[in-house]
Amino acid sequence: QKEVEQNSGPLSVPEGAIASLNCTYSDRVSQSFFWYRQYSGKSPELIMSIYSNGDKEDGRFTAQLNKASQYVSLLIRDSQPSDSATYLCAVIGGGQNFVFGPGTRLSVLP
Amino acid sequence: KAGVTQTPRYLIKTRGQQVTLSCSPISGHRSVSWYQQTPGQGLQFLFEYFSETQRNKGNFPGRFSGRQFSNSRSEMNVSTLELGDSALYLCASSPAAGLDYEQYFGPGTRLTVT
Repeated sequence: QKEVEQNSGPLSVPEGAIASLNCTYSDRVSQSFFWYRQYSGKSPELIMSIYSNGDKEDGRFTAQLNKASQYVSLLIRDSQPSDSATYLCAVIGGGQNFVFGPGTRLSVLP
Repeated sequence: KAGVTQTPRYLIKTRGQQVTLSCSPISGHRSVSWYQQTPGQGLQFLFEYFSETQRNKGNFPGRFSGRQFSNSRSEMNVSTLELGDSALYLCASSPAAGLDYEQYFGPGTRLTVT
């Protein structure tokens, strides 16, 4: 079992819809969770971090964490074509290293 | 505030050669991590340096090494290059080491080994 798993996609949503991206992790002692966005040919850029169970909102983005289920998600409201990118889930596990998931490709259709 | 810079941006090397990549973190950031990104393996952690000390190391062979200088700038070296080392090498910096830091990535160095 991989440490951090994501659906590879592509996930296609129409413009204006809510995009839901999911991530599961295997290390129960993980404490810190991050979502990064990576456009094709570019480096990852941080969207948001979450450390406590529940929801965290930042503009059109909402991160949700459930440590009991070892699950973290990212919701993108009012999706725009400019949101089309690969979304990487990252977890700091017991080894104190960042572990990235394989990423989910999101395509927002005009 | 300037972002993370990496040099060179592109590099072509021959199998068996060695290469050194450089990373300058965001001003005030003391932690630098290195990653290898390939289409097949995704983003894989190489190592992390904090205050000139290697704090963590990923599962890469000893051909991959790094160091950090007193000004927090970091270099990574790959010796005896193999074709499979062709990848995008990313450097990321953060203000400190620990469980709650966020990382900021540089533009990467695209290494091609022929």
